[in-house]
Amino acid sequence: NAGVMQNPRHLVRRRGQEARLRCSPMKGHSHVYWYRQLPEEGLKFMVYLQKENIIDESGMPKERFSAEFPKEGPSILRIQQVVRGDSAAYFCASSQERGPNNEQFFGPGTRLTVL
Amino acid sequence: GENVEQHPSTLSVQEGDSAVIKCTYSDSASNYFPWYKQELGKGPQLIIDIRSNVGEKKDQRIAVTLNKTAKHFSLHITETQPEDSAVYFCAAMKNAGNMLTFGGGTRLMVKP
Repeated sequence: NAGVMQNPRHLVRRRGQEARLRCSPMKGHSHVYWYRQLPEEGLKFMVYLQKENIIDESGMPKERFSAEFPKEGPSILRIQQVVRGDSAAYFCASSQERGPNNEQFFGPGTRLTVL
Repeated sequence: GENVEQHPSTLSVQEGDSAVIKCTYSDSASNYFPWYKQELGKGPQLIIDIRSNVGEKKDQRIAVTLNKTAKHFSLHITETQPEDSAVYFCAAMKNAGNMLTFGGGTRLMVKP
């Protein structure tokens, strides 16, 4: 059973470009979470999605950031018009169900560098 | 919202010694407290967790304690080995919640 898959592992963008980060949850998992990790800091929650629905986006910036988890295919975190402050590691996690009785399994992350 | 503080930020121990990492949380509604180990270039991996209905949990060389009254929980690693070197994160989650609130991390270095 493959774990959470993320691609690309490394992404370099120039200021103003778009970044698309992909996450395929573990088999059988329908709950996906995105977290951002700035250098030397802990992970910060961004958004929680369940198939085709955004459940909680309280941690996501209001502008330039969007997320989706379509019926078919991976979850996508999209950052438009990237700025240098977007440089970070973005981690996706998945769980079988929601709530504290269900472990969140993390992917290897996508390291975004904005030049 | 929830706020999780973690100390120390760096910890260096000799192989074979014990290591203790402490976290405090602010929201009394939190009732799930996992600990993650993150190695360089990888995602966090769950190593142990504890729920608010227990005060202590142990798994081989790793143990976690929870004091609900004081709102703090700790990770204890005994007989440390060089492969324990990594960044460790504590986290908290509310009962009806879905997001984890992470501490700032502790970089543990085990010297052979």
